Amino acid sequence: KNEVEQSPQNLTAQEGEFITINCSYSVGISALHWLQQHPGGGIVSLFMLSSGKKKHGRLIATINIQEKHSSLHITASHPRDSAVYICAVRSLSGGSNYKLTFGKGTLLTVNP
Amino acid sequence: DSGVTQTPKHLITATGQRVTLRCSPRSGDLSVYWYQQSLDQGLQFLIQYYNGEERAKGNILERFSAQQFPDLHSELNLSSLELGDSALYFCASSAGQGRNEQFFGPGTRLTVL
Repeated sequence: KNEVEQSPQNLTAQEGEFITINCSYSVGISALHWLQQHPGGGIVSLFMLSSGKKKHGRLIATINIQEKHSSLHITASHPRDSAVYICAVRSLSGGSNYKLTFGKGTLLTVNP
Repeated sequence: DSGVTQTPKHLITATGQRVTLRCSPRSGDLSVYWYQQSLDQGLQFLIQYYNGEERAKGNILERFSAQQFPDLHSELNLSSLELGDSALYFCASSAGQGRNEQFFGPGTRLTVL
């Protein structure tokens, strides 16, 4: 079982829909990152959080440390939101708390 | 633009060869991280340097090595290349030793023929 599991793997939405991507992890963590990767390949860091909730524009990220679960929400989705969204955790295992472990990503397609 | 630069953008080489990938962190960032993204394995952490010293090691093969220079740029050396080393290699940087947000470079796409 992977340390970081994302769901769904693929998501297709119509423009304007509210979108939720989920991330569950099995190890103790010091932080969780949400990343966005566009078809060209570049990776952008969206959020880094260790508790509670963060909001940036139409994006909201929440984390529940007790349940080892995080969600990324996109309100009023737009075709330009089409990308792969990747969850990554900074684990406390292995004597180093700097290592990031990644989920396999969620491919989001927003149709006009 | 994240402020992290990587060269080259694309690299095509043959099995058995050696290549060097270069990364310049954002101004002021002391940590550099290397990641590999392949179709079958996804994104994997390779290694981290902080202010010239190795800080953390991930799934880095013995054929791979890295270093961070006094001007804080970093190089990832890949030797005895195999077909399976074909991947996107990302560099990221952060201000601190690992607790800060990371900023990713555009990546180097390596193709081994």
